[in-house]
Amino acid sequence: SAVISQKPSRDICQRGTSLTIQCQVDSQVTMMFWYRQQPGQSLTLIATANQGSEATYESGFVIDKFPISRPNLTFSTLTVSNMSPEDSSIYLCSGIPGFKTDTQYFGPGTRLTVL
Amino acid sequence: DQQVKQNSPSLSVQEGRISILNCDYTNSMFDYFLWYKKYPAEGPTFLISISSIKDKNEDGRFTVFLNKSAKHLSLHIVPSQPGDSAVYFCAARWGNDYKLSFGAGTTVTVRA
Repeated sequence: SAVISQKPSRDICQRGTSLTIQCQVDSQVTMMFWYRQQPGQSLTLIATANQGSEATYESGFVIDKFPISRPNLTFSTLTVSNMSPEDSSIYLCSGIPGFKTDTQYFGPGTRLTVL
Repeated sequence: DQQVKQNSPSLSVQEGRISILNCDYTNSMFDYFLWYKKYPAEGPTFLISISSIKDKNEDGRFTVFLNKSAKHLSLHIVPSQPGDSAVYFCAARWGNDYKLSFGAGTTVTVRA
């Protein structure tokens, strides 16, 4: 299986600031995604992180609010910009390894609290 | 619009007995289904999956059943163990679109 790590594991931020979350995979993955899990809710896809090009965002999510980078096949970042308390969530990255495309592996998540 | 639904938010079962988790979906394009298990403060861990060309897939204590006509799938855990206490998510995708749609999750508690 692919091992995915995220940094930071948690953070408490002030309203109006931005936080960048890093996602590192131990092997090359063909696709990477970013999800959000709001308190008491399920996982919702934010965007597909495309290597070397702009991310593909789902309905309700925009690049200005959630800029994403993916400079290579094993690393991606998600920035939560101009944060408000409504952004308090767990943010998770996931990846599909090239050797096993039927399975999507998840990182441990970043728990964000915005005051 | 919730395309994957888990209508039971919680399930309590005695150790050694069977746990049955249910999941319904509305999008008939879904052709691949996955179950994930999630412990607090951890990311979801892949458990088992099934393709729409099958109606059953088994892996050790875990079996997933798919009823395409009813747009329903279920996960059976036999026998249930205390370590199975976690939140279980049903997820679905279709074609070469690897994006997952998740259900709301079912919290399983296995009583000793």
